[in-house]
Amino acid sequence: SAVISQKPSRDICQRGTSLTIQCQVDSQVTMMFWYRQQPGQSLTLIATANQGSEATYESGFVIDKFPISRPNLTFSTLTVSNMSPEDSSIYLCSVEDPNTAYEQYFGPGTRLTVT
Amino acid sequence: AQSVTQLDSQVPVFEEAPVELRCNYSSSVSVYLFWYVQYPNQGLQLLLKYLSGSTLVKGINGFEAEFNKSQTSFHLRKPSVHISDTAEYFCAVSYYGGSQGNLIFGKGTKLSVKP
Repeated sequence: SAVISQKPSRDICQRGTSLTIQCQVDSQVTMMFWYRQQPGQSLTLIATANQGSEATYESGFVIDKFPISRPNLTFSTLTVSNMSPEDSSIYLCSVEDPNTAYEQYFGPGTRLTVT
Repeated sequence: AQSVTQLDSQVPVFEEAPVELRCNYSSSVSVYLFWYVQYPNQGLQLLLKYLSGSTLVKGINGFEAEFNKSQTSFHLRKPSVHISDTAEYFCAVSYYGGSQGNLIFGKGTKLSVKP
């Protein structure tokens, strides 16, 4: 299985600012995913990031608000832009296991609080 | 829209008692099914998965789940729980033909094991 790290693990930010979350994987993977887990809620997929192409966003999420970079096969970033208190969530990245269809491994998450 | 329902938001249980966490999904089309566990302040860890074959699947930490296609269910069970099993458990489904990597999660069940 892949080992995934995220930075920062948590942050408290002021509204109107932006935060970039980093996701690092210990092996090369094709597909990386970004999820949001709002307080008391389940996980919702924000976007899928493939290396060398634009991220694919799910309904309700837009690139201007959540720009994503995928510069290589082991790294991705998610930026939460122009933050408001409603953006307070845990943000998790995950990767697809290349050997098992549809199985994903998750990072530890970034806990974001917007004041 | 496809959905996953976890019928119990919280399940308190005494140590060494059996437990069942319930999960139902909305569609009868072919699916892949997963249970993930999230320990406090940690990311998600895969407990077990059903991709095909035997409907009874065994996972880590003594957990097992049974896929019931007619009832569109995938309930998680453990015959004897430990204090260390205290965590939040998420059921997830991925549909054949859906966006690869798009896991649909239930809202989670918080398992609280008491001495």
